[in-house]
Amino acid sequence: AQSVTQLDSHVSVSEGTPVLLRCNYSSSYSPSLFWYVQHPNKGLQLLLKYTSAATLVKGINGFEAEFKKSETSFHLTKPSAHMSDAAEYFCVVSVYNFNKFYFGSGTKLNVKP
Amino acid sequence: DVKVTQSSRYLVKRTGEKVFLECVQDMDHENMFWYRQDPGLGLRLIYFSYDVKMKEKGDIPEGYSVSREKKERFSLILESASTNQTSMYLCASSSPLGDSQPQHFGDGTRLSIL
Repeated sequence: AQSVTQLDSHVSVSEGTPVLLRCNYSSSYSPSLFWYVQHPNKGLQLLLKYTSAATLVKGINGFEAEFKKSETSFHLTKPSAHMSDAAEYFCVVSVYNFNKFYFGSGTKLNVKP
Repeated sequence: DVKVTQSSRYLVKRTGEKVFLECVQDMDHENMFWYRQDPGLGLRLIYFSYDVKMKEKGDIPEGYSVSREKKERFSLILESASTNQTSMYLCASSSPLGDSQPQHFGDGTRLSIL
């Protein structure tokens, strides 16, 4: 079975400090993993994706994520938060030959000035 | 860049009406999806389609149907709208999962049923 757990429903950081959003997954197969961002009243925008190439994946807007198979984790990080990063973030897993995407419950990131 | 366009950003309808939500993608994707998003419940899959005229039920298909007559267009139909269908509806498209490709989302339709 496939599942995704986002360990924090809310994260609050100060502008200029690092961001860490945590995601653990469960999969019986080699997964593809994605992070999306959703700003209020907008759709989901792809930040980055892992598809069994390099384990450290760089995305847009300075975000990156590291795939750790031994820990079944795919945490999202950014060295320095910006006010515009305030949004909801979703970790998603998909598995080849299952025509389905599995969504985490989301983490709302608040950035304080 | 992939573009997924949902026909309405905001929609207000009355109980019992038949409601159509339209979605068009411009990347020749085989797969298209409809989700609804509610606070505290996350994204829930209503239906998806992996080819023209092909569809499969997702996790919450009750009260909904879909139509895919052309590859680029996927319509969600609320047969008889009810107030519990007030929600944010998101359409997405993707290449077949064998390519490990992500989904691309539209901006959503916020639907209110009065």
